[in-house]
Amino acid sequence: EDQVTQSPEALRLQEGESSSLNCSYTVSGLRGLFWYRQDPGKGPEFLFTLYSAGEEKEKERLKATLTKKESFLHITAPKPEDSATYLCAVRRNTGFQKLVFGTGTRLLVSP
Amino acid sequence: NAGVTQTPKFRILKIGQSMTLQCAQDMNHNYMYWYRQDPGMGLKLIYYSVGAGITDKGEVPNGYNVSRSTTEDFPLRLELAAPSQTSVYFCASRQEGNEQFFGPGTRLTVL
Repeated sequence: EDQVTQSPEALRLQEGESSSLNCSYTVSGLRGLFWYRQDPGKGPEFLFTLYSAGEEKEKERLKATLTKKESFLHITAPKPEDSATYLCAVRRNTGFQKLVFGTGTRLLVSP
Repeated sequence: NAGVTQTPKFRILKIGQSMTLQCAQDMNHNYMYWYRQDPGMGLKLIYYSVGAGITDKGEVPNGYNVSRSTTEDFPLRLELAAPSQTSVYFCASRQEGNEQFFGPGTRLTVL
């Protein structure tokens, strides 16, 4: 059964304090690992898609990496506006894009 | 483009009542999805559609129905509402090979 586990559940950082969020997954035939950001009371907002081990993508202070078993979302010198819940999801090798989501990491960045 | 829109934003239902959650997208996406998000749980797929006239069940379809008569609209019908259906509902859409775009959500409470 496809499974996605995110850790930690919650993370509190000081502004400028870099850290990483983890997404461990088991899926038969990975066809993409997705990172989304979700602000309170809003829908998830797409950040990155990673397809193969070794792939990396960056956007502003965020960098996503992928191995065969896990993905990391590295946050460099975070700002308070980076506070949100970060969701990870995987898509398996089937005909339709059914995403399996993790439960998310709630990030709070204090000034 | 408005993207993915959902109405209503909030709704309170009594047990046994019925309602329809509306979802529309103006991006001409073929694929559309309905998810529910419960506290501490990942997004769970309720139903999805690969085009007008074609729908299929996701992980948690019981108590829900959908239809897809046009490319733009994908309403979700709740019959005989139950407290277990209290949740936040998200609609999403995508084009072939791309990421899913999510709407702002509908917060439903069944009392």
